[in-house]
Amino acid sequence: QVQLVQSGAEVKKPGASVKVSCKASGYTFTNYYIHWVRQAPGEGLQWMGVINASGGRTSYAQRFQDRVTMTRDTSTSTFYMELSSLRSEDTAVYYCAGELPSTSRFDSWGQGTLVTVSS
Amino acid sequence: QSALTQPASVSGSPGQSITISCTGTSSDVGNYNLVSWYQQHPGKAPKLMIYEVNRRPSGVSNRFSASKSGNTASLTISGLQAEDEADYYCCSYAGSSTYVFGTGTKVTVL
Repeated sequence: QVQLVQSGAEVKKPGASVKVSCKASGYTFTNYYIHWVRQAPGEGLQWMGVINASGGRTSYAQRFQDRVTMTRDTSTSTFYMELSSLRSEDTAVYYCAGELPSTSRFDSWGQGTLVTVSS
Repeated sequence: QSALTQPASVSGSPGQSITISCTGTSSDVGNYNLVSWYQQHPGKAPKLMIYEVNRRPSGVSNRFSASKSGNTASLTISGLQAEDEADYYCCSYAGSSTYVFGTGTKVTVL
């Protein structure tokens, strides 16, 4: 199983962007897909999108299509999720989760990163 | 893509069995045998409990079982224990490399 360690909490103003990182270890980098899932305070899990570590191909949930960008740095085994045009409703814990290709199961999770959007 | 529908809460006494439903559509739950279930304790990351409708990862208790019929998937916890008290989420593949989670169910052990 891959181990995933995320960057620390962030506080951003409305309209700004945030970039959360997720460093992977303990596996062959190209053998995983990394998903991003968020959870607003007191709310449920929301799937945001996925990036293929091997080729960098992405797929995003429609509601985030215009504001999210997922990338990866193969040299450091680190994945990134950038969300732009932040609003208060984006205040949430953001998780990265690992999937072995085509298994459709998220069997490794990062510890979560709290992003607070406040003026 | 709308969230899958789960009951907000389910409760049971220790030793009892409970079942959590997860209702989607013919575009997600009904079209793929790729439903998974996650357990989440307060302040913690989710944990995979079931994948591919009814398969358990190694290390997950056999008290957890699941099934699917049509557009509805179900998770059953048998022999309910205090440690099972948590939030549970279903998740389904929805085509075109996208996924959708359920609304979540809070399980209370009375």
